[in-house]
Amino acid sequence: QVQLVQSGSELKKPGASVKVSCNTSGYTFTNYAMNWVRQAPGQGLEWMGWIHTNTGNPSYAQGFTGRFVFSLDTSVSTAYLQISSLRAEDTAVYFCARTLSGSYDDAFEFWGQGTVVTVSS
Amino acid sequence: DIQMTQSPSSLSASVGDRVTITCRASQGISNYLAWYQQKPGKVPKLLIYTASTLQSGVPSRFSGSGSGTDFTLTISSLQPEDVATYFCQNCYTAPITFGQGTRLEI
Repeated sequence: QVQLVQSGSELKKPGASVKVSCNTSGYTFTNYAMNWVRQAPGQGLEWMGWIHTNTGNPSYAQGFTGRFVFSLDTSVSTAYLQISSLRAEDTAVYFCARTLSGSYDDAFEFWGQGTVVTVSS
Repeated sequence: DIQMTQSPSSLSASVGDRVTITCRASQGISNYLAWYQQKPGKVPKLLIYTASTLQSGVPSRFSGSGSGTDFTLTISSLQPEDVATYFCQNCYTAPITFGQGTRLEI
């Protein structure tokens, strides 16, 4: 069965960096784009962008450029989200999500369990 | 960007009630709309895609309709386990956008 398993919660100080992993199984990793979604405490869902798992080409939504980097390790079917220069407002749950079809712009059928990133001094 | 506006923002209903949540897109998105259910502390769950297609395993009391700019999610007979926040999603074009959510209580 399809599984997306994310790395554990992180507590970071402002200015630090964090790297969240999304380890997948149960399907051909390179056949499906990987999306990233942020949910701040008590807030809604915010699409961060996606990465083409065949080419490694990332695409970032407005507001997620510069400090946010999507990457892959196709040898272990894993996607990564790295955030640098962390700020308090980056405190959120971060989800990876795979779509129904291979395209990024489709419904998100499978989700990772979420990674809580807390930024606090 | 396509803005997705849900109404109401919150809703209280009784077990057995018929519940309707609406989602309006700021421009036409054909039927490229999905609905999700998110229970507190849990991962969003896909309920409906392409506006009206029920995801496998989702109870048949959930249904979706609409096309263009106006969409609805209907729960035909509300159950206690339906307490959650519901989100709509524009799947038509980037940036992918979500509605602000509708909190459903009993």
